Amino acid sequence: GQQLNQSPQSMFIQEGEDVSMNCTSSSIFNTWLWYKQDPGEGPVLLIALYKAGELTSNGRLTAQFGITRKDSFLNISASIPSDVGIYFCAAPNRWSGGGADGLTFGKGTHLIIQP
Amino acid sequence: GAGVSQTPSNKVTEKGKYVELRCDPISGHTALYWYRQSLGQGPEFLIYFQGTGAADDSGLPNDRFFAVRPEGSVSTLKIQRTERGDSAVYLCASSLRAGPYEQYFGPGTRLTVT
Repeated sequence: GQQLNQSPQSMFIQEGEDVSMNCTSSSIFNTWLWYKQDPGEGPVLLIALYKAGELTSNGRLTAQFGITRKDSFLNISASIPSDVGIYFCAAPNRWSGGGADGLTFGKGTHLIIQP
Repeated sequence: GAGVSQTPSNKVTEKGKYVELRCDPISGHTALYWYRQSLGQGPEFLIYFQGTGAADDSGLPNDRFFAVRPEGSVSTLKIQRTERGDSAVYLCASSLRAGPYEQYFGPGTRLTVT
């Protein structure tokens, strides 16, 4: 099956720094999604991308749909303590065109903010 | 508004027992999904429903796993003859049929098989 490779696995940063992470695959996708998960909670949708080259922002978060359709990037500007958590990329299992499908997730990037 | 809810939040069972995990989706969401998340991993797709029918059950690991959604709302994931390897967090998500892939997750049920 398809695999999503996230990097880095973990990041140790200082509060106020910018963060960059990415997700790559050997498969082509029409949709990329970015989720954040806090301990004991389910993943929360941050940004959804539907078009190659698309750049979408949600507050301090910006995500891009790679032009090759095989990758996506997530940036967080001016990190704050509540940004701590695990960030997952996800893509549809199959392009069904119907708008509803199971998702494949990467293994996540752990973001740790040092005081 | 109310999000996706899952019960119980924690379940401890003995190897070989039967368990049922319940998911209540967001009102009006016609698509419902089950995932399993092991420690240090991303969620792994199990099955999804469009209305009452299972549209894709390709992620169910074996025939000990079964899920139903008889009235197109609440869903139950059933695991027979549980094994220690079934221990994980079971996540449920829902989405509007027309909303492309924007799935909203519940808090999960942590299943521990002893």
